[in-house]
Amino acid sequence: EDQVTQSPEALRLQEGESSSLNCSYTVSGLRGLFWYRQDPGKGPEFLFTLYSAGEEKEKERLKATLTKKESFLHITAPKPEDSATYLCAVQADQAGTALIFGKGTTLSVSS
Amino acid sequence: DADVTQTPRNRITKTGKRIMLECSQTKGHDRMYWYRQDPGLGLRLIYYSFDVKDINKGEISDGYSVSRQAQAKFSLSLESAIPNQTALYFCATSDWGGSTDTQYFGPGTRLTVL
Repeated sequence: EDQVTQSPEALRLQEGESSSLNCSYTVSGLRGLFWYRQDPGKGPEFLFTLYSAGEEKEKERLKATLTKKESFLHITAPKPEDSATYLCAVQADQAGTALIFGKGTTLSVSS
Repeated sequence: DADVTQTPRNRITKTGKRIMLECSQTKGHDRMYWYRQDPGLGLRLIYYSFDVKDINKGEISDGYSVSRQAQAKFSLSLESAIPNQTALYFCATSDWGGSTDTQYFGPGTRLTVL
């Protein structure tokens, strides 16, 4: 069964304290792995798509990496405005276009 | 202006009522989706449509129906609402890129069924 597990469920950081969020996945064949940011009461906002192991993408303080079993979202020197829930999703070959989402990691950054 | 809009943004209804949630997009994408989000369960796919004539059930379609009125419009209906359909509902769109397609989400509709 295709599944996505994110850890930790919640993460509290001080401003400037770098850390990483984990997304472990099990799929029959990975077509793409997606990272989204979601603010309370709002729709998920697209961040990155990763397609193959070894691929990395960056946007401001965020960097996403991908291996054959997991992806990491590295947050460097976070600011309070980075506080949000970060969602990971995979698109598997046999699932067509359906995205399988993890339950998310809620990040809180305090000043 | 937002690329994906949803109406209403909030709705409170009673058990047994029929309601419709609407989604419109200006991104020009062919593919549209409806998801629901529940605390602790994440996002789950209800229905998706590849074009006006192609509609498919997702993981949790029971109790829901959809209508694709045009490329830009995709509506979700609850024929007879029940309390466990209380959730956040999101519409999303995507454009097939040949190997995978990135989905872009609307702002959501918060539905409460009493």
